[in-house]
Amino acid sequence: KQEVTQIPAALSVPEGENLVLNCSFTDSAIYNLQWFRQDPGKGLTSLLLIQSSQREQTSGRLNASLDKSSGRSTLYIAASQPGDSATYLCAALNTGGFKTIFGAGTRLFVKA
Amino acid sequence: EPEVTQTPSHQVTQMGQEVILRCVPISNHLYFYWYRQILGQKVEFLVSFYNNEISEKSEIFDDQFSVERPDGSNFTLKIRSTKLEDSAMYFCASSPRDTEQYFGPGTRLTVT
Repeated sequence: KQEVTQIPAALSVPEGENLVLNCSFTDSAIYNLQWFRQDPGKGLTSLLLIQSSQREQTSGRLNASLDKSSGRSTLYIAASQPGDSATYLCAALNTGGFKTIFGAGTRLFVKA
Repeated sequence: EPEVTQTPSHQVTQMGQEVILRCVPISNHLYFYWYRQILGQKVEFLVSFYNNEISEKSEIFDDQFSVERPDGSNFTLKIRSTKLEDSAMYFCASSPRDTEQYFGPGTRLTVT
């Protein structure tokens, strides 16, 4: 049974810092891994998708990596800004029926 | 830019009543999903749907739940007899293939 864990649960950093959010999963038989952003009371915005055959993906100041063998993914945010304040979720989509398991998220606060 | 839409944004119902939550996925997407998020908790997978049938469902998706794609554009989630614990935000998502999922804004269901 797939379990997805995210650490830290919460993070507060000053503006401009580079930071790393961690995601681990127990079953390496994933089809892909997706990172999302969720603002309070809102829906989920897709940030990056990494296919199981890929090692990393980049979009602007965001870089996500995937190591299937160790069951880990990281989301790197460069030069953080107050507008980056949100909850960041990772989700593993399993092979087969595409059951998607979410982590509990990392709540990020970037101080101006 | 195409987006997933959901109606209503907020639904209040009495315990034991049936509710239907509606979603319009992005056209030409082939995979459809329902998730729920109880306040303050993880996003939980309910069901995936492809080629007019359920691909996979979670333990939460019991006989009280059903999904349907009644026409070429809508995707619905029905809860036959709502319970207090069904109160949550329900998200619909779609993807073009077994790739990036795009989420709707959610329907907040309140069962009294």
